[in-house]
Amino acid sequence: ELKVEQNPLFLSMQEGKNYTIYCNYSTTSDRLYWYRQDPGKSLESLFVLLSNGAVKQEGRLMASLDTKARLSTLHITAAVHDLSATYFCAVDSARSNYQLIWGAGTKLIIKP
Amino acid sequence: KAGVTQTPRYLIKTRGQQVTLSCSPISGHRSVSWYQQTPGQGLQFLFEYFSETQRNKGNFPGRFSGRQFSNSRSEMNVSTLELGDSALYLCASSFRNNEKLFFGSGTQLSVL
Repeated sequence: ELKVEQNPLFLSMQEGKNYTIYCNYSTTSDRLYWYRQDPGKSLESLFVLLSNGAVKQEGRLMASLDTKARLSTLHITAAVHDLSATYFCAVDSARSNYQLIWGAGTKLIIKP
Repeated sequence: KAGVTQTPRYLIKTRGQQVTLSCSPISGHRSVSWYQQTPGQGLQFLFEYFSETQRNKGNFPGRFSGRQFSNSRSEMNVSTLELGDSALYLCASSFRNNEKLFFGSGTQLSVL
């Protein structure tokens, strides 16, 4: 069974600091996704990572994928308050019949 | 381009009733998937439709059903509502299966 674990589940940090959210998954995956959800809002796609060593960056967010370690990271550089949100990773694979399996989410609070 | 539209935005029902939720995908998107989001269980995949065919179904009881019309609009139905069905129901569309998903704002269902 494909399982996805995120950590930490909650993160409070100061503006200007760097931090990393980790996403581990249990079996071979085909694609890994990162989404953002603001309170009371829907989900917004951030990144789709397809292959080992993939790295994508958008503004202060950078995502990477290590398929051998079954690990993806979402790195936040010089955090700003606007990045406060809950971040989800999700994985699909042939083993899960390409159903998206979601992590529990990391609630990120960035204090001024 | 209009985004994914879900109606209604909020719904209050009582146990035993049935409910139908609607989703209009982005024009040209043929894949529509549905997710349930609750504080306890997180995001869980319900089902996915592509060109009017259900391609994938999550681990939910038969009370949860859906369909897709020829214009790609989709509906999901929950019969014999239970308290535990209270959740945010999210619809997402993509051009193909599990490409970057575009989510609607969701329908917040409360079962009393």
